[in-house]
Amino acid sequence: EAAVTQSPRNKVAVTGGKVTLSCNQTNNHNNMYWYRQDTGHGLRLIHYSYGAGSTEKGDIPDGYKASRPSQENFSLILELATPSQTSVYFCASGDWGGGGGQNTLYFGAGTRLSVL
Amino acid sequence: GDQVKQSPSALSLQEGTNSALRCNFSIATTTVQWFLQNPRGSLMNLFYLVPGTKENGRLKSTFNSKESYSTLHIRDAQLEDSGTYFCAADGTGNTRKLIFGLGTTLQVQP
Repeated sequence: EAAVTQSPRNKVAVTGGKVTLSCNQTNNHNNMYWYRQDTGHGLRLIHYSYGAGSTEKGDIPDGYKASRPSQENFSLILELATPSQTSVYFCASGDWGGGGGQNTLYFGAGTRLSVL
Repeated sequence: GDQVKQSPSALSLQEGTNSALRCNFSIATTTVQWFLQNPRGSLMNLFYLVPGTKENGRLKSTFNSKESYSTLHIRDAQLEDSGTYFCAADGTGNTRKLIFGLGTTLQVQP
């Protein structure tokens, strides 16, 4: 089973502060993702990456940056946190099966962020 | 949530009974995935589907690409099946990016 580890698990931040959420996967997956989950909106994609050095905008990228310095690590950065970014954040990784295109997602345990 | 619609939004079952969850797509999609989020919040993948059917224990899932829907059948529901079930589609044909439905919250009662 793929292992995706997020840190921290819980975070309280102040408005205007910088927040970095970290994600590490140990299964050599090419693709990594950051989602946020809010009641009534389900899971929404913020940023994703095809591999080390790449970051792509998802569906709701505004207010967030991402960094993929290595195959294993993918960070989500809130440069100026706002209360609207209070949410639960999930990191995920997946295989890219070449011509087969299999991309089952494996999720981390989530980070609960509160911006006061 | 509009491109991937799940029904029902909530469901309560007695232990030992059967049920089906449905996912309708308003976008073309080549694959479907189903996930379960347990009451503690952890998300687990259940199925990855190309058109056709897969079965795993008491769960069976079908993806009909021509009619743009997928179903997840739960047989002999158990308490540990409780949680929120999400389906997701790769609407762009690029399986690196998934579009999630809003989920079906299932509560299995003893």
